[in-house]
Amino acid sequence: GQNIDQPTEMTATEGAIVQINCTYQTSGFNGLFWYQQHAGEAPTFLSYNVLDGLEEKGRFSSFLSRSKGYSYLLLKELQMKDSASYLCAFMDSNYQLIWGAGTKLIIKP
Amino acid sequence: DVKVTQSSRYLVKRTGEKVFLECVQDMDHENMFWYRQDPGLGLRLIYFSYDVKMKEKGDIPEGYSVSREKKERFSLILESASTNQTSMYLCASSAQTDSYNSPLHFGNGTRLTVT
Repeated sequence: GQNIDQPTEMTATEGAIVQINCTYQTSGFNGLFWYQQHAGEAPTFLSYNVLDGLEEKGRFSSFLSRSKGYSYLLLKELQMKDSASYLCAFMDSNYQLIWGAGTKLIIKP
Repeated sequence: DVKVTQSSRYLVKRTGEKVFLECVQDMDHENMFWYRQDPGLGLRLIYFSYDVKMKEKGDIPEGYSVSREKKERFSLILESASTNQTSMYLCASSAQTDSYNSPLHFGNGTRLTVT
């Protein structure tokens, strides 16, 4: 079967670093996406990983380990505007996206 | 910037009504999708379309239909609304490319309440 899991909620402090984990199980894999969704707004694309390793994009980095079925999103120098839900999704062998329920990130001053 | 526009932000309908949710994108994207988003669940795909007049069922198509008469417009239809269709509905589009990393561009969503 297929499944994907990420923590429901996380809290971090402004200026700090936070890592949001995402684990998945699937027989076919065509990449993993991270999206950010502010409350009441549309999800917006953050990153795509299909090969193992770390991809850095400014304050945000995304990591993938295909053998472990594991990804994380790393947010550095947290800002209040980073308070949002972070959605991970993998693309299965039929090129359909399977979505996690999202991690609500709360940033405290 | 890609803009995906959903016609209504909030809708309240009665059980049994026929409901139309409209979505328009302005970037000439081939692919369009309808998802619903419920608390504690990942996005669930209702229907998608890779071309005009073409539609494919997603994971939860029951009780829904779609229409894509023009490339830029993808409509979701609830034939007879029921209370379990109360949800946030998200429309998305993406470009058709040779790779699979073409990101989805989402609209702001329509929060539908069926009473």
